[in-house]
Amino acid sequence: DARVTQTPRDKVTEMGQEVTMRCQPILGHNTVFWYRQTMMQGLELLAYFRNRAPLDDSGMPKDRFSAEMPDATLATLKIQPSEPRDSAVYFCASGLDRPGTGGTGELFFGEGSRLTVL
Amino acid sequence: AQKITQTQPGMFVQEKEAVTLDCTYDTSDPSYGLFWYKQPSSGEMIFLIYQGSYDQQNATEGRYSLNFQKARKSANLVISASQLGDSAMYFCAMREAPKIRGSQGNLIFGKGTKLSVKP
Repeated sequence: DARVTQTPRDKVTEMGQEVTMRCQPILGHNTVFWYRQTMMQGLELLAYFRNRAPLDDSGMPKDRFSAEMPDATLATLKIQPSEPRDSAVYFCASGLDRPGTGGTGELFFGEGSRLTVL
Repeated sequence: AQKITQTQPGMFVQEKEAVTLDCTYDTSDPSYGLFWYKQPSSGEMIFLIYQGSYDQQNATEGRYSLNFQKARKSANLVISASQLGDSAMYFCAMREAPKIRGSQGNLIFGKGTKLSVKP
């Protein structure tokens, strides 16, 4: 049963610490999204990769956040230094981008990483 | 400006009854896709149903159907014969125009509607 895997599931850290969240997309998918979910803002896009290349990271605070895909099986989201306002659930999602095929482009989500910054 | 609007923060429905969750969207692109996702209390996001802007018929998936009214820019989700397990947050999302030619663009989500099914 293919699924998106995220680690850690829960992370509690202190302000100023570095946080790295990892995501293993579904094998064969060529797009990876990072979303942040908070009660106030809902689901916000942070970064979007296609074939490992970043296409859109306009939603990500550049001074402290960075997103990479070192290879096709791993996407990382790093926060350094972390702040209390970064507390949220971070979702990774992957999909198969097949332009011109009429595919739905459905995104498959991981279970999320709940981050609490004290 | 909000691109996806879900005006119902919370809804109650009696078990076995049907319920409609509202969603309106805003886009000037002729080609777009509309999605509904379910998020139970466990937190995962579960894909429910998809409607393409050029699809002639309303999408259906089991007990889920999408009431697509293109002129009104609405894409309401209808759940028939509600079950206790349907209690969850429901998110409407739109795939916007891609920034890169040939790709499919990002999913933009509404704020969600919390559905509670009463026994």
